[in-house]
Amino acid sequence: GQNIDQPTEMTATEGAIVQINCTYQTSGFNGLFWYQQHAGEAPTFLSYNVLDGLEEKGRFSSFLSRSKGYSYLLLKELQMKDSASYLCAVRAGYGGATNKLIFGTGTLLAVQP
Amino acid sequence: DSGVTQTPKHLITATGQRVTLRCSPRSGDLSVYWYQQSLDQGLQFLIQYYNGEERAKGNILERFSAQQFPDLHSELNLSSLELGDSALYFCASSVGVGQGYEQYFGPGTRLTVT
Repeated sequence: GQNIDQPTEMTATEGAIVQINCTYQTSGFNGLFWYQQHAGEAPTFLSYNVLDGLEEKGRFSSFLSRSKGYSYLLLKELQMKDSASYLCAVRAGYGGATNKLIFGTGTLLAVQP
Repeated sequence: DSGVTQTPKHLITATGQRVTLRCSPRSGDLSVYWYQQSLDQGLQFLIQYYNGEERAKGNILERFSAQQFPDLHSELNLSSLELGDSALYFCASSVGVGQGYEQYFGPGTRLTVT
């Protein structure tokens, strides 16, 4: 079966660093994505990991450990506009036949002044 | 703006009715995905098409169907609507189906069933 777990809510302070964790159990793992979603809007792509390690992209970094079924998204120098839901999604499929994403329920991050 | 367009933006209809949601992928993208997002659940994968062919199915109800046309736009048909079908329906597209192809999401269609 497929199972993805993230904390439901987190609160952080403007200018600080926050780490959002994601654990997963899936079959046919082919990569992990992080998306940002503001309320009522479309998810927007943040990062992608398929190999173990850290991927850095400006203020955002994402880490993956396939053996542990674990990923995190690190947001640095938090800004008020970073208040949003952060979705962890696992790409599931065999042999490249599909690219369907299995999403976690998301972590609602509130950035406070 | 992701380049994926969806119409209509909002749809209000009654139980038992049938609606069609439309999606145009980004230019050059061959794969289209449909997702449902309701208040109490995360994004749920419904179905994927690649260059006109169905590639993967999620927990899509039998009352729902989709297709991708030769010009690559896609339609999601929802019939015998129930109150529980009220949700945001997103379409996403990607260039291909191999590793690493990120999906770009459209703005969504908000369906309200009364």
